[in-house]
Amino acid sequence: GEDVEQSLFLSVREGDSSVINCTYTDSSSTYLYWYKQEPGAGLQLLTYIFSNMDMKQDQRLTVLLNKKDKHLSLRIADTQTGDSAIYFCAESQGDSSYKLIFGSGTRLLVRP
Amino acid sequence: DAGVTQSPTHLIKTRGQQVTLRCSPKSGHDTVSWYQQALGQGPQFIFQYYEEEERQRGNFPDRFSGHQFPNYSSELNVNALLLGDSALYLCASSRFDRGSSEQFFGPGTRLTVL
Repeated sequence: GEDVEQSLFLSVREGDSSVINCTYTDSSSTYLYWYKQEPGAGLQLLTYIFSNMDMKQDQRLTVLLNKKDKHLSLRIADTQTGDSAIYFCAESQGDSSYKLIFGSGTRLLVRP
Repeated sequence: DAGVTQSPTHLIKTRGQQVTLRCSPKSGHDTVSWYQQALGQGPQFIFQYYEEEERQRGNFPDRFSGHQFPNYSSELNVNALLLGDSALYLCASSRFDRGSSEQFFGPGTRLTVL
């Protein structure tokens, strides 16, 4: 089946770390993605991880993948007010599938 | 590089009308996918075009159709509009030879059906 789930809301203080979690159900997922959406805007690709990796780090972003539990997380270090947005987790199915399955998004609020 | 562009940015239609949305992919990309994002939800896959053919399709009725042109740009057509078709329509582009990785999204077209 196809299902990606995320918590709805996260509030953190500026300068703290944020951790956004996601669970997925399709064990054949090839890539797992994190996208950011600001109000009234499209989706910005933040990072993605291939399913045979456990971790990927890109500047302030760290992605952790637990394939056994089908759990993906995005950690944002030193969170800034400009990081306030909705974050979407997504999976693709198989090597040649362009169909991304998205979660409903986690709204991150960064308090000054 | 202009990235993925979409037009128009906003559109208001009435029930039963037809609408055409347009997308130009990022330079160097040859594959275009369309998504529908209802308010408060994640995007849902409509279909994907490569080499001017529909290659994959999500769970959307035949009222949703598309086209890809030789310059890789694409159109999404929706016939017999329903109130429930009100949403943000997103176009994503990618390179076919890179599989599903690195899909870049445009800013979207906000469609309101009255």
